[in-house]
Amino acid sequence: AQSVTQPDIHITVSEGASLELRCNYSYGATPYLFWYVQSPGQGLQLLLKYFSGDTLVQGIKGFEAEFKRSQSSFNLRKPSVHWSDAAEYFCAVGGGYQKVTFGTGTKLQVIP
Amino acid sequence: DVKVTQSSRYLVKRTGEKVFLECVQDMDHENMFWYRQDPGLGLRLIYFSYDVKMKEKGDIPEGYSVSREKKERFSLILESASTNQTSMYLCATTPSAGLGSPLHFGNGTRLTVT
Repeated sequence: AQSVTQPDIHITVSEGASLELRCNYSYGATPYLFWYVQSPGQGLQLLLKYFSGDTLVQGIKGFEAEFKRSQSSFNLRKPSVHWSDAAEYFCAVGGGYQKVTFGTGTKLQVIP
Repeated sequence: DVKVTQSSRYLVKRTGEKVFLECVQDMDHENMFWYRQDPGLGLRLIYFSYDVKMKEKGDIPEGYSVSREKKERFSLILESASTNQTSMYLCATTPSAGLGSPLHFGNGTRLTVT
């Protein structure tokens, strides 16, 4: 069965610092991988996705993620965090017939 | 831009009541999904539908049912609400074309069962 692990429940970074959110997945074939962001009181918004090709994927709001098959990881990064990036971030894996499995989320706090 | 609208942002219901959560989308997407979101558990799939009048169970269907009479509308029904169904409920859609199409989410309905 497919699964996603986000080992960090909560992360605090200073504004302007770099960010890396971890995601490990389990999937039997080549996975579709996603990162979504959820601002308070809102639904989830897609940041980026990966299926094939270049393992470094660029997304919206200056985020990127790197797919590493050997480590079953798809970590999200941003070189310089802004206060507006404070939100909850979800990694997800999906494949056949559109079934998508989500991680438990990482809540990002940004301090001035 | 895809718009997924959930009719209520907040609902408070009593134990044993029948509860309807409504979701409407305006982009002619074939696939529609209901998730519930709980702290520390992420999003869990309750039911999904890939066509009118079609439905499939997700990972946690117990205590829920769904209805899809029209392509644009997908309803989640709690036949007899219980306190353990207090949660945030999220509706999402994708087009049928192309595996790996991202989900488009509504803003959620926060349901409290007392």
